[in-house]
Amino acid sequence: GQNIDQPTEMTATEGAIVQINCTYQTSGFNGLFWYQQHAGEAPTFLSYNVLDGLEEKGRFSSFLSRSKGYSYLLLKELQMKDSASYLCAVRASGNTPLVFGKGTRLSVIA
Amino acid sequence: DGGITQSPKYLFRKEGQNVTLSCEQNLNHDAMYWYRQDPGQGLRLIYYSQIVNDFQKGDIAEGYSVSREKKESFPLTVTSAQKNPTAFYLCASGQGAPHQPQHFGDGTRLSIL
Repeated sequence: GQNIDQPTEMTATEGAIVQINCTYQTSGFNGLFWYQQHAGEAPTFLSYNVLDGLEEKGRFSSFLSRSKGYSYLLLKELQMKDSASYLCAVRASGNTPLVFGKGTRLSVIA
Repeated sequence: DGGITQSPKYLFRKEGQNVTLSCEQNLNHDAMYWYRQDPGQGLRLIYYSQIVNDFQKGDIAEGYSVSREKKESFPLTVTSAQKNPTAFYLCASGQGAPHQPQHFGDGTRLSIL
C-alpha cells in the first residue's frame, strides 16, 4: 500500500522560516513532488526531488532522504501570501500517477 | 495560453442524475488524470489515461466513468451510482516522463441539490 504522512496544520509568523515534513511508505519510489494549493484553487507545482539532498528555488527549498522515506519543504522569509495548503506527492514507479498526502495547511500570521 | 480548462466551475446535480465534467488541455500532454478532493482527505485518484483510447481505474473509481477519444479531452461522468458525489474535482495532465509534474486545472465543485 501507499502511505504519505504530513502534519495537518501549522502556524508561523511573517518573516520567519517554517519546515513542513513529509514521510512516505510506498511500494516503490521514483520521485517526490511538492505542490502549493490556495483554498478553492488548483495545486501548483513547487519542487521535485528524486536524489538525496537539498533542492533550492528562491525562498523555497526541498530536501529528500530516500533511506529514511522523508522529505521536507522549507519556506524562508514567510509572507502572508504563503498561507495555503502544501501537498506532498510521491511517484511510486515509472510514470504512474502521483499519490498525494492529505496536505498541510499553513497559516502565516503577522 | 497553454493550460488545462475545466468546466463548469460550479455544478449542481439532482439525486439520480448523471453529470459530466469537462476537461480539455492544449499542452500536448499524453497523460491525463482525475482526482477528487474532500476536506481533510487530500487528493484521491479516480481514473487516469496515459494514451488515447485507453484508461485505468484509480483508487476510487466506483460510480464514475471516463472516455479518452481525443488526446486533448478527458471527460468524467459522475453516475447516479456514486453515493457521495459532493466534492471538488481536479483534472490534471502530464508529459509522461517520471520527472515531470502533473499540472492541474482550476477544478469543478459539484454539489447535490
